[in-house]
Amino acid sequence: KAGVTQTPRYLIKTRGQQVTLSCSPISGHRSVSWYQQTPGQGLQFLFEYFSETQRNKGNFPGRFSGRQFSNSRSEMNVSTLELGDSALYLCASSLGGGPRDEQYFGPGTRLTVT
Amino acid sequence: AQKITQTQPGMFVQEKEAVTLDCTYDTSDQSYGLFWYKQPSSGEMIFLIYQGSYDEQNATEGRYSLNFQKARKSANLVISASQLGDSAMYFCAMREPYAYSGAGSYQLTFGKGTKLSVIP
Repeated sequence: KAGVTQTPRYLIKTRGQQVTLSCSPISGHRSVSWYQQTPGQGLQFLFEYFSETQRNKGNFPGRFSGRQFSNSRSEMNVSTLELGDSALYLCASSLGGGPRDEQYFGPGTRLTVT
Repeated sequence: AQKITQTQPGMFVQEKEAVTLDCTYDTSDQSYGLFWYKQPSSGEMIFLIYQGSYDEQNATEGRYSLNFQKARKSANLVISASQLGDSAMYFCAMREPYAYSGAGSYQLTFGKGTKLSVIP
């Protein structure tokens, strides 16, 4: 069974640009969550999508948005990039329900904003 | 206030010895889930072990076991017989709310992590 895949793995952008990151969950998983990891703030929850609906959102500005498609694949978009957006962006998928709903993470997209 | 506290920024352990990584948590919910993840230098988060708040027995997965003390709100990870490949960052995380049935909105809150180095 294939794991969670994220593309691209590495990305360099300039301040003010926008970026779109992609995440393909494990087959059968309906929930996709996004996290930002930085040395200073650690791992922070961005948002979660379940069956194409945003179910939960972390404390991030509106420049961060996402969506989920009918095949559960998800994209995350960051507009008007700032230097502080440089981070490892991790996507995690899970079945979406049940008491032992472990999240399985992808390898991440490392975004550098210059 | 931090919901997940990992007080050990870094730890060293001799190969083949056991090591305990500390984690305390703060929640007012009765139902929650606790997770440990391993993050090697490659960046991928690897799920290690899970403990539900209503689970009466401590979770075990191979060389990993979770020392769950609910009254103290601690969920320490024990790695037995450490291997060189265990060198990595280890994160404790809590999921709340924790629903036994049906889909519910939840998120994982992570601690700051502990960097474990295994010495040959």
